[in-house]
Amino acid sequence: QVQLVESGGGVVQPGRSLRLSCAASGFIFNNYGMHWVRQAPGKGLEWVAVIWYDGGNKYYADSVKGRFTISRDNSKNTLYLQMNSLRAEDTAVYFCARELSGYYDLWGQGTLVTVSS
Amino acid sequence: DIQMTQSPSSLSTSVGDRVTITCRASQSITSYLNWYQQKPGKAPKLLIYAASSLQSGVPSRFSGSGSGTDFTLTISSLQPEDFATYYCQQSYSTPRTFGQGTKVEIK
Repeated sequence: QVQLVESGGGVVQPGRSLRLSCAASGFIFNNYGMHWVRQAPGKGLEWVAVIWYDGGNKYYADSVKGRFTISRDNSKNTLYLQMNSLRAEDTAVYFCARELSGYYDLWGQGTLVTVSS
Repeated sequence: DIQMTQSPSSLSTSVGDRVTITCRASQSITSYLNWYQQKPGKAPKLLIYAASSLQSGVPSRFSGSGSGTDFTLTISSLQPEDFATYYCQQSYSTPRTFGQGTKVEIK
């Protein structure tokens, strides 16, 4: 069925790296721009990054610029988020989301990243 | 960056009540405004896109209105399953900012 499934979350020490994956199925992945959105515990939603359908353009929130890299492998129907130099304030549930004409019509279930020593 | 401000931050209400949530943008976003519902431990769910278009499968008691800088989400008759947190989001420009959320609780 049509779905997004995130993986790769876990507990990591400050300053270390982690790579999240988002596996897409049931739709033509390379037709859609894809986003990462995060939610710190008990807080609201924060947009993190976007990558266009063909990987040709990428944009980041100022809070992660220079530390996080969004990428995709359309042959594997997978979206990635490489997170380097992690900080305590990066602790959150990370969601991937499919964009359709400016809105997110499909979300993954989320993966929890905890940055702690 | 475009700032999105929702009001109220929370509200206590009863089943059957009419609920109105407001979202204000710091500059005009024409109709590039979306509404999401989120329940605890779950991913957000799209309710309304382009300010007033109802997403397929969403009950007709949900409606959206507005343009420019001021927008409203209305639930005409609150049902038990509607107790949740609601977020607006602008898709006019990047970064795609969200409002801070409105938690709808049982009175």
